[in-house]
Amino acid sequence: NAGVMQNPRHLVRRRGQEARLRCSPVKGHSHVYWYRQLPEEGLKFMVYLQKENIIDESGMPKERFSAEFPKEGPSILRIQQVVRGDSAAYFCASSLYDTEAFFGQGTRLTVV
Amino acid sequence: QQQVKQSPQSLIVQKGGISIINCAYENTAFDYFPWYQQFPGKGPALLIAIRPDVSEKKEGRFTISFNKSAKQFSLHIMDSQPGDSATYFCAAKRGQAGTALIFGKGTTLSVSS
Repeated sequence: NAGVMQNPRHLVRRRGQEARLRCSPVKGHSHVYWYRQLPEEGLKFMVYLQKENIIDESGMPKERFSAEFPKEGPSILRIQQVVRGDSAAYFCASSLYDTEAFFGQGTRLTVV
Repeated sequence: QQQVKQSPQSLIVQKGGISIINCAYENTAFDYFPWYQQFPGKGPALLIAIRPDVSEKKEGRFTISFNKSAKQFSLHIMDSQPGDSATYFCAAKRGQAGTALIFGKGTTLSVSS
């Protein structure tokens, strides 16, 4: 029974490149959440998606960041023209209903 | 505006002792309060959760105490073990559909042997 799968686990990008983070939720889960974690910080909510719909993107920067959860395939968090400040751990979580959320192992993005 | 405040930031407890981590929330619409445990390099794992219709929930050595009037809840780890050394996050959420978990900043627990 696979949990939330995120890939890649580690991603290095040069400033100005695009970063694409993938998240496959627990089988059958239709709610996906993305969080960002900086060192010594908690988990900051970014975006909440259901299949083919963005429900809440209030935590996502207005520029350069986008997210999708297509009918088929994983959820994608895309960061265009990355800057050093984007370096962080990005976690995806999924839930069957909108309570218990299970997290993946995260993608650690380093911008050089 | 920090909706969930967690304390202490770090905690050192001797093996066999009780670890206590506290959280306070502001939004009275929150009605689901989980705790997550995170080891270095790993994702947060759901530990235990409570709803405001009960004042306490116990699972093994882990207990959540909930005080609705004070808008506070706490995690108690009894008989703390070195393997409990991790970062603990409290969180809160409104029960209605379409809302996400709001997390505290975390508590780093070290259990010394």
